[in-house]
Amino acid sequence: KQEVTQIPAALSVPEGENLVLNCSFTDSAIYNLQWFRQDPGKGLTSLLLIQSSQREQTSGRLNASLDKSSGRSTLYIAASQPGDSATYLCAVPNSGNTPLVFGKGTRLSVIA
Amino acid sequence: GAVVSQHPSRVICKSGTSVKIECRSLDFQATTMFWYRQFPKQSLMLMATSNEGSKATYEQGVEKDKFLINHASLTLSTLTVTSAHPEDSSFYICSARDPLLAGTDTQYFGPGTRLTVL
Repeated sequence: KQEVTQIPAALSVPEGENLVLNCSFTDSAIYNLQWFRQDPGKGLTSLLLIQSSQREQTSGRLNASLDKSSGRSTLYIAASQPGDSATYLCAVPNSGNTPLVFGKGTRLSVIA
Repeated sequence: GAVVSQHPSRVICKSGTSVKIECRSLDFQATTMFWYRQFPKQSLMLMATSNEGSKATYEQGVEKDKFLINHASLTLSTLTVTSAHPEDSSFYICSARDPLLAGTDTQYFGPGTRLTVL
């Protein structure tokens, strides 16, 4: 059974800092990996999707990497801003049609 | 991008009543939708997979007679929480994939429904 772990559970940084969020998964036979953002009491916003054949994806100040063999992914946020404050969730399916298994998330606070 | 809506966004009900939550794919047809539940400070947990025209598949520990799922059309799945109790209070989120978007496996999530059972 796939399990997804995210470290740290919570993170507080001053504005402008670069930061890294970590995600690990137990079954490396993943189809892809997604990073989501969730604001308090809200739904999910998809940030990045990395296919199993890819090593990384970039969108603006966000860069996600994937090391399938070691079961790890990182989300790098450059020049953090207070608006980045949210919970970041990592999720993987085991194949294209199966639903996602989520980590518990990292709650990020960026202090102005 | 593909849009998934949910209705209602928030509902408060008395214990013992039933609540229906709708999940709609607005600009694509979804043969499969997923229902997740999120308790406070916990992650999303899959409840069931909703398949158009057939019975839903429930995850272990989810009572199918309590959480009724109907996927009668390619754009609508409904989740009915029957005889709701305070422990059913949670954030319910649906997702769907667009099978016509070849090469992408992105799941599109609805905005969620906050259920509070008094």
